[in-house]
Amino acid sequence: DSGVTQTPKHLITATGQRVTLRCSPRSGDLSVYWYQQSLDQGLQFLIQYYNGEERAKGNILERFSAQQFPDLHSELNLSSLELGDSALYFCASSVAPGEDEQFFGPGTRLTVL
Amino acid sequence: GESVGLHLPTLSVQEGDNSIINCAYSNSASDYFIWYKQESGKGPQFIIDIRSNMDKRQGQRVTVLLNKTVKHLSLQIAATQPGDSAVYFCAERYQGAQKLVFGQGTRLTINP
Repeated sequence: DSGVTQTPKHLITATGQRVTLRCSPRSGDLSVYWYQQSLDQGLQFLIQYYNGEERAKGNILERFSAQQFPDLHSELNLSSLELGDSALYFCASSVAPGEDEQFFGPGTRLTVL
Repeated sequence: GESVGLHLPTLSVQEGDNSIINCAYSNSASDYFIWYKQESGKGPQFIIDIRSNMDKRQGQRVTVLLNKTVKHLSLQIAATQPGDSAVYFCAERYQGAQKLVFGQGTRLTINP
């Protein structure tokens, strides 16, 4: 158990809908990262937050957004969902930005029908 | 561009044998590399890391080798056990950056 929690574990929804994925980092970690893992793309970095502020952005679609709250938990919002958004979404945390080791949560499996 | 790839998508080894998983990277400016293990239904788990100023690092039953000349990274697992069955990812971090760029992954299966 990495200490990073993610909810829900599974999510099934329809195209065009909007969902919110939640992540709680390890105790003491200030930086949160979101990754998307699909069969044909591997693990793709989406976005990073540190202490409530966005620090780095990767291949995140405009339909997706995220935020980190004062209690350091983070939410990833996915809107106007498409079939291709079906994937595993992982959250990772580290003590600080650029800190070497990132601890991954168990992931949320999103299925868009 | 961003490119971290793996030479072999699958690898099968006999239990007790040593496993070697390879990874090629394209960015010579990367200064940090990590190997992650991902078991079915779980998130990636840190195995071992290495900085660009080193060429070898050993952990418990695992060794990572870095060859900067040919931009190659490998993970060696000694005396492979059934519990080593998983997908293994290499990842690199560009110097000064914070995000990790992951390779596609290699599935390691252990034959009894």
